[in-house]
Amino acid sequence: EVQLLESGGGLVHPGKSLRLSCATSGFTFSTHAMTWVRQAPGRGLEWVSAITGSGGATYYADSVKGRFTISRDNSKNTLYLQMNRLRAEDTAVYYCAKVRRPFTSDAFDIWGQGTVVTVSS
Amino acid sequence: DIQMTQSPSTLSASVGDSVTITCRASQSISSWLAWYQQKPGKAPKLLIYKASSLESGVPSRFSGSGSGTDFTLTISSLQPDDFATYYCQQYNSYFWTFGQGTKVEIK
Repeated sequence: EVQLLESGGGLVHPGKSLRLSCATSGFTFSTHAMTWVRQAPGRGLEWVSAITGSGGATYYADSVKGRFTISRDNSKNTLYLQMNRLRAEDTAVYYCAKVRRPFTSDAFDIWGQGTVVTVSS
Repeated sequence: DIQMTQSPSTLSASVGDSVTITCRASQSISSWLAWYQQKPGKAPKLLIYKASSLESGVPSRFSGSGSGTDFTLTISSLQPDDFATYYCQQYNSYFWTFGQGTKVEIK
């Protein structure tokens, strides 16, 4: 069974940093792009960042570019999101999600349960 | 950036009704469109990919159609479990965008 489990969320002050992790199992992690998607309270889904299976290419939404860094450790089957210079508007549930097909862009077929990030003084 | 516009934002329907949600892309995305269902406090669930392909395990009352810029999700014979929020998503490249969502409510 494919599983994704996020961790690392919490309450953080504006301007501070936080690192999210997404531990995966049940599929060949290194062949699939992985993504982060967030959902602010009462709002819709917003794609945040993605990384190819090899880790050789990364992609970011304009809202987080220059502040967030996505990475992965294929030896640990784990995805990360380093979030720096956090703002109140980054408050959201953060989901990691698996891209459906290997070696290409596709829909997100498996999602984690989400981890809550709250940015507040 | 490719913008996705869903309509309506809210839809009131009864069990047994057939409902249709539309999604329009700001430029052609071929058939690179997915539909998701989300229930409160839960992660989204993939229903449809490549505009009309049903994800494994999804009931056949869900169907998708369209290509280019205009797409639809149809739920035939709405069931109690179908009351949720639905999102379209384009994946024409490695920059994904979602529609703003359509909440399907009980009439």
